[in-house]
Amino acid sequence: SQQGEEDPQALSIQEGENATMNCSYKTSINNLQWYRQNSGRGLVHLILIRSNEREKHSGRLRVTLDTSKKSSSLLITASRAADTASYFCATDGETSGSRLTFGEGTQLTVNP
Amino acid sequence: EADIYQTPRYLVIGTGKKITLECSQTMGHDKMYWYQQDPGMELHLIHYSYGVNSTEKGDLSSESTVSRIRTEHFPLTLESARPSHTSQYLCASRGVAGWGTGELFFGEGSRLTVL
Repeated sequence: SQQGEEDPQALSIQEGENATMNCSYKTSINNLQWYRQNSGRGLVHLILIRSNEREKHSGRLRVTLDTSKKSSSLLITASRAADTASYFCATDGETSGSRLTFGEGTQLTVNP
Repeated sequence: EADIYQTPRYLVIGTGKKITLECSQTMGHDKMYWYQQDPGMELHLIHYSYGVNSTEKGDLSSESTVSRIRTEHFPLTLESARPSHTSQYLCASRGVAGWGTGELFFGEGSRLTVL
């Protein structure tokens, strides 16, 4: 079964607006991570939130985690054209043996 | 910048050829991974290693094989490439401060096209 499903699959906004992406998962986790991927490139780690944390901030990024609902959200505030990329959540499951499982990703387009 | 390198970045080959995708990291990480990703799609784990002489198959069945003779090197080999192997292959490593922590560092990927 799919671990880490993201919503929406695609999001198009204007510069300056906020972008919110959601991730749902199925099993218990140690932590959840968000990554960014520019087209044709490798992934870059953005932020990690542990299972005992509810919210975390890093610059213009805000991540929340609700373990009771098995869901997380990534908020990018005051978006820029350079934020255009695919964003993936990845879960580090309690029984996954240090293997991360990635979601399907959200393709974010920020229009100038 | 992540110190993990993949070569080649792009490879176009004919069916039946043997290919090796190279992955090296200079961070001293024990854990290394290979993911397969079709354009715009999710990543699928195909192989991983927890250290020298340790290799395991991932969640997605793959006809490729891997080896881990040195900590820094984790090559992936296809003995006989087929068009169905056309994809992007991403190598990653992980530095773990404690069980269940640590981010993945990714290489730039190897895009393979088999004609």
